[in-house]
Amino acid sequence: GAVVSQHPSWVICKSGTSVKIECRSLDFQATTMFWYRQFPKQSLMLMATSNEGSKATYEQGVEKDKFLINHASLTLSTLTVTSAHPEDSSFYICSASQGSTYEQYFGPGTRLTVT
Amino acid sequence: GQQVMQIPQYQHVQEGEDFTTYCNSSTTLSNIQWYKQRPGGHPVFLIQLVKSGEVKKQKRLTFQFGEAKKNSSLHITATQTTDVGTYFCAGPRSYNQGGKLIFGQGTELSVKP
Repeated sequence: GAVVSQHPSWVICKSGTSVKIECRSLDFQATTMFWYRQFPKQSLMLMATSNEGSKATYEQGVEKDKFLINHASLTLSTLTVTSAHPEDSSFYICSASQGSTYEQYFGPGTRLTVT
Repeated sequence: GQQVMQIPQYQHVQEGEDFTTYCNSSTTLSNIQWYKQRPGGHPVFLIQLVKSGEVKKQKRLTFQFGEAKKNSSLHITATQTTDVGTYFCAGPRSYNQGGKLIFGQGTELSVKP
């Protein structure tokens, strides 16, 4: 149980375009989904938290207009990187949780390369 | 601000040797969680400890939560090449911020066959 999928697993896009990443909890309802960014050999950096049906909350320093998050249902959250630039190239990972006291289950991640 | 620190950052061991990573929080934690991330992979939940002084075992892995609930450790007995990866500890953000976790820097384990 507790499987989270993420799509696409990797994407290459041109500078200035937008990219949408989907995160789905396959076998449970996720009250909360989290979006992280991870640089090589570094820890996970939380970007934003999304709850179904409400606006995402962003961490300090994360531009909400650049990283659009939509949590349309208890099993789906999307992250759209708008007007991507090379510095947005990174490994983006989502996680899903059944509640604030529960562990998080991570998706396989999306490797974004902006050329 | 709240911090979770992990040591060592890297550990290289010969297969069969033991391995331990330590996690220290600047604040008291309601629980501590451990995750493993294989090279090129994503973090996978290993365990959650909740009680002061709690010790849990998973085969060759032993997890411990300190009495003060500010530190934790993960010990692997007789490492195998399948243990390779980065081990992260994580604790809830202070004031129960909706399940947000603060992660340690991770300990990267490499095992030489």
